[in-house]
Amino acid sequence: NFMLTQPHSVSESSGKTVTISCTRSSGSIASTYVQWYQQRPGSAPTTVIFEDNQRPSGVPDRFSGSIDSSSNSASLTISGLKTEDEADYYCQSYDSNSVVFGGGTKLTVL
Amino acid sequence: EVQLVESGGGLVEPGGSLRLSCAASGFTFSNYWMHWVRQAPGKGLVWVSRIKGDGSNSTYADSVKGRITISRDNAKNTLYLRMDSLRAEDTAVYYCARDYFDRSGYYPCGYWGQGTLVTVSS
Repeated sequence: NFMLTQPHSVSESSGKTVTISCTRSSGSIASTYVQWYQQRPGSAPTTVIFEDNQRPSGVPDRFSGSIDSSSNSASLTISGLKTEDEADYYCQSYDSNSVVFGGGTKLTVL
Repeated sequence: EVQLVESGGGLVEPGGSLRLSCAASGFTFSNYWMHWVRQAPGKGLVWVSRIKGDGSNSTYADSVKGRITISRDNAKNTLYLRMDSLRAEDTAVYYCARDYFDRSGYYPCGYWGQGTLVTVSS
């Protein structure tokens, strides 16, 4: 099994751009797709990015995802930050036997 | 519309047992892998288990192997999680989730229920 490591927290000002990283501990980040979830307090997670860089319908194009094989990591970038983006964000990937979530990143919009 | 509604959570003493249910609607239940994911208070998401659409294959996180059993009744469109020998560290909100699968792609845990809280305490 592998692990996904995220920063515990990030903060940025409204209107700016923030990037949250997710580093895979073993195996290639490109071997299986990475998803990103947003979770607000008291609510279930919702998908903001799937298959590395695809946005579900209804997710604004301010949200984008990418992977970088050189650093074996994935990234979620949110541009034009809004106060409503303040939430916890989780990366997720999987292998043939399990699903793995990162530890989560708390995004604070200043 | 995909709907997943968990039930069965509550307060249970250490060493006790509990069975969670997840009632599914809005899709052909037997066509999809289903998952349980838990979240301890103030902590992150942790995948627990998954089961294939026909119930023929299931896998578990190492942390729960031997104490937790996932099952499903496709006639009732219901997913279950049987938890035995419960410990304080099993205290969490338990979510059921369905794979996302259509022509635009696939990934695990594309749809989520609202969760049910399990508290293990004496």
